[in-house]
Order: sequence, then C-alpha cells, then structure tokens
Amino acid sequence: GENVEQHPSTLSVQEGDSAVIKCTYSDSASNYFPWYKQELGKRPQLIIDIRSNVGEKKDQRIAVTLNKTAKHFSLHITETQPEDSAVYFCAASVNQAGTALIFGKGTTLSVSS
Amino acid sequence: ETGVTQTPRHLVMGMTNKKSLKCEQHLGHNAMYWYKQSAKKPLELMFVYSLEERVENNSVPSRFSPECPNSSHLFLHLHTLQPEDSALYLCASSQRASGGATGEQFFGPGTRLTVL
Repeated sequence: GENVEQHPSTLSVQEGDSAVIKCTYSDSASNYFPWYKQELGKRPQLIIDIRSNVGEKKDQRIAVTLNKTAKHFSLHITETQPEDSAVYFCAASVNQAGTALIFGKGTTLSVSS
Repeated sequence: ETGVTQTPRHLVMGMTNKKSLKCEQHLGHNAMYWYKQSAKKPLELMFVYSLEERVENNSVPSRFSPECPNSSHLFLHLHTLQPEDSALYLCASSQRASGGATGEQFFGPGTRLTVL
C-alpha cells in the first residue's frame, strides 16, 4: 500500500529564513497532495494542496512543488514568522476521488524571533 | 454552531464499556471521515463515507464501528477497547464533486479518548 515519508521530523529556523519540508510517496497512482498545519492543541487545517497535473503551486509565502517522476513533493515557506510555528503534515491520496489520504508523520517547525 | 463539531470532547472509558463518538458538520458537505491521531504517529484514516460510498482502512479493529445516518452526521461506536486505543479521534468533512475529486477536508476539534 501507499507509504508517505516526511523529513525532517523537526526543523528550527530564525524568523525571516526559509523552511523546506519534503515528502516522498510510493504509489504512482496518487493524484492529490495536501499539506496541513496543526498548531498546538488545535485541529489540522489545510494550507495548500496540489494535484498531479500541476508541478508547482504558490500562495503568498507558501509554495508546493511536485515531482511525479521521482514521487516526491515539498513545502516551501519563505520569510518565516513565529506564527508559522506548528506541526506540518503532508499527505497523498490512495484513491481517485482523493478522499482516502495517507499522512506523513509530521514536521515540527519552530520559528524563533 | 459552524464548521465541524464533535462530542464529547473528552471521554474516559473502561475496556468493557460501550460508548459512541458523535460528529456533525454544518458545511453542507457530502463526505465525512474518522481519523485517529496518536502521539508520534501519523494521522491515520479509519473510515470514509462519501457519496454513499464507504472506504475502510483494513487495519482498523472491529471494535470500532462507524455509522453515517445522513450526510451531516457521523458516529463511531466503541466497544471492548484496549488501552492502546487511547488517542485523539478526529472527524472531518469535505465536498466531493459527483464522479470527481474532493476538496479540502475540514477537521473537527477531536475527542480525546482514554481507555483504562
């Protein structure tokens, strides 16, 4: 079945620096790749997603890139701020509808001012 | 209430108890999900109800039984649980286009379950 590996497990950056989180997946049929942010004690929230027919997507300081050949996708956060501190989860779909997601183990991002 | 709500927010139960978790979504979505979130483990999909289709994670033990009476309500019935079932149980909903892909999943606040 699908396996999603996420690295690093923890990431510490200075305010203003960039942060990059990488995920790999095993099922070449996966077609939907969302990223969720979970602040301490709160519910996960979608921050950006990408579908397999697109190579890159950007939303202000956040971007996601997808390499279908290599089966990996990455989250890029530029100009990090303390409020970016949270756990970030990547996920890959295992069905055509994109309803069944396999999540990575998460990356704890700490942004210090 | 707006968004996705879950009750109870906290639950402590013995291994011989029977309890149910409830989820309600007020977003008009047509897909609902149960996830398990344990410390140091990935979010684990348990069940999906989408356009009258049910998807089940085969690794979920039979002591967890879902019920989806309509598109707005989802239940997770629990019986004879084990201590390792202690976790945060999250409900989510999304809108799926007929024959098409689904959009963002909106999560509820979760039920913190402790099995003694």
